[in-house]
Amino acid sequence: GESVGLHLPTLSVQEGDNSIINCAYSNSASDYFIWYKQESGKGPQFIIDIRSNMDKRQGQRVTVLLNKTVKHLSLQIAATQPGDSAVYFCAERGKTSYDKVIFGPGTSLSVIP
Amino acid sequence: EPEVTQTPSHQVTQMGQEVILRCVPISNHLYFYWYRQILGQKVEFLVSFYNNEISEKSEIFDDQFSVERPDGSNFTLKIRSTKLEDSAMYFCASSYDTANTIYFGEGSWLTVV
Repeated sequence: GESVGLHLPTLSVQEGDNSIINCAYSNSASDYFIWYKQESGKGPQFIIDIRSNMDKRQGQRVTVLLNKTVKHLSLQIAATQPGDSAVYFCAERGKTSYDKVIFGPGTSLSVIP
Repeated sequence: EPEVTQTPSHQVTQMGQEVILRCVPISNHLYFYWYRQILGQKVEFLVSFYNNEISEKSEIFDDQFSVERPDGSNFTLKIRSTKLEDSAMYFCASSYDTANTIYFGEGSWLTVV
């Protein structure tokens, strides 16, 4: 079946350091991946996405890496700031579930000032 | 920037009562969704809606739930005869098509007592 999961449920980093949040997925039919940020009491906020025909995509301070061989997705946040503290979810959308996004369990990122 | 808006932000209801959660998706989007997040857990898919009909629904979305697009702008989730376990944050989301990301509202927090 389809599933998206995270290796680390919590992550603490020093302000200014880089953060790496990892995600494993099991559905090889997935062709579109998204990272969402969720602050307490708010809805998931789109950060960055990547399609399966790419292995890297960069945004402002964020980079998503996709390794289809091992079905692994990561989110890198450069120069982490206190405002980056949130729960981060990876999510997938695929050929077998083309009209919905399936979320992983989430990683809580805490930035230490 | 266009956004998905939801009302109410918080509703407390007696067990057994009916609840209607309302959403205004982004105006040019064609696909609409409801997701649920029980406190501390991941975001779960409930239902997707396209062309005035349900396109997919999860096991959670049983006969207790229904969705409707009563006019050109609103998208509603009705929960009949609410149960204690229906207490959760309910997120509405929309997307332009199935090839791009889904944007979420800020959520409606439902408490059943």
